[in-house]
Amino acid sequence: EVQLVESGGGLIQPGGSLRLSCAASGFSVATNFMTWVRQAPGKGLEWVSIIYDEGSTYYADSVKGRFTISRDNSNNTLYLQMNSVRAEDTAVYYCARGLVGVTAFDSWGQGTLVTVSS
Amino acid sequence: EIVMTQSPATLSVSPGERATLSCRASETIGTKLAWYQQKPGQAPRLLIYGASTRATHIPARFTGSGSGTEFTLTISSLQSEDFAVYYCQQYYYWPPAFGPGTKVDIQ
Repeated sequence: EVQLVESGGGLIQPGGSLRLSCAASGFSVATNFMTWVRQAPGKGLEWVSIIYDEGSTYYADSVKGRFTISRDNSNNTLYLQMNSVRAEDTAVYYCARGLVGVTAFDSWGQGTLVTVSS
Repeated sequence: EIVMTQSPATLSVSPGERATLSCRASETIGTKLAWYQQKPGQAPRLLIYGASTRATHIPARFTGSGSGTEFTLTISSLQSEDFAVYYCQQYYYWPPAFGPGTKVDIQ
């Protein structure tokens, strides 16, 4: 069974750093493309970042230069390093698996809430 | 940058009735469109990709159609578990982009 479990969210001050984790089971993060999508409270979905199986990474303009996506193949875990966070980064962050051959996302974690506030 | 719009913002439907949701892209995207369902407090669930292909385990009452800039998600006979927010997402242009969502609630 495919499962994704996020962790690492919490309250953080503006300008601070946080690392989100997404533990995968039932498949390998090394051979699938993986993504982070966020949802601000009461708002819609916003794509954040993607990492492909060959290792290339891409970011939304809103987080480029501040966030870094990575993975640990041995632990089958996806990460999102968040630096220089801003109030507008407050959201539930979901990790998701990409559907083979399609930039759509077929399995999602339950999400982890990041609140940026002083 | 491509803009996705969805209409209506809210759709009130009685159980057993048909629901028709619309998604429009500001530029043509072929059939590079997906639909997701999200219930309160839950993660999104992929329903449709390629504009009309149902994802694994998605019931046949969900039908996607359209191409180019106009797309439709039809739920043929609404069940109680179908009341949720529905998002479309294009993946023709970079970056992938979601629409603002349509909330389907009980009339």
